[in-house]
Amino acid sequence: DAGVIQSPRHEVTEMGQEVTLRCKPISGHDYLFWYRQTMMRGLELLIYFNNNVPIDDSGMPEDRFSAKMPNASFSTLKIQPSEPRDSAVYFCASSSDRGNQPQHFGDGTRLSIL
Amino acid sequence: AQSVTQPDIHITVSEGASLELRCNYSYGATPYLFWYVQSPGQGLQLLLKYFSGDTLVQGIKGFEAEFKRSQSSFNLRKPSVHWSDAAEYFCAVNGGNKLVFGAGTILRVKS
Repeated sequence: DAGVIQSPRHEVTEMGQEVTLRCKPISGHDYLFWYRQTMMRGLELLIYFNNNVPIDDSGMPEDRFSAKMPNASFSTLKIQPSEPRDSAVYFCASSSDRGNQPQHFGDGTRLSIL
Repeated sequence: AQSVTQPDIHITVSEGASLELRCNYSYGATPYLFWYVQSPGQGLQLLLKYFSGDTLVQGIKGFEAEFKRSQSSFNLRKPSVHWSDAAEYFCAVNGGNKLVFGAGTILRVKS
């Protein structure tokens, strides 16, 4: 079975540009999570969805960040406008249960904002 | 709120030696506990999980972990480390809300 698929794997862009990260969860999983990983702050949960509905976005750092899940097989995380401090690795994960089942992670998108 | 502490940022062991990575959690009830491994440039891969029952759980790649309620610990162990085990290891707790990760322990294996 295919795992969680993220694209692009790497993104380099200039400050002020819009960035869109994409995620395809594992088929049948009804929870989707977006994380950010940095050296300074480790792994942070940004937002999670259940059945395509955002449940908790308290980890989203600013209004410049937005996430959508238009259907069960696709989610996006958008940053507009991007800033150098947004540089990080962004992971998407999915699971079939919020707590009882493990989350399966994609390989991440390494984002560099110049 | 739940929290996870991994007291060791780096650990170096010789190939073939035993390994124990420490994890302490804070949560009021019985938590769901996980260990993940992350190789460079990769996502997190689940090693093992604890929900209930037997406090010694077996995982992939020869890893095991023991849940000790009295010590609020969930330490990861492996009897003989291989060079391919070099990676970063994360302990995580889910108390029914969010998955909270520790800061990670980087394992170096010397030959």
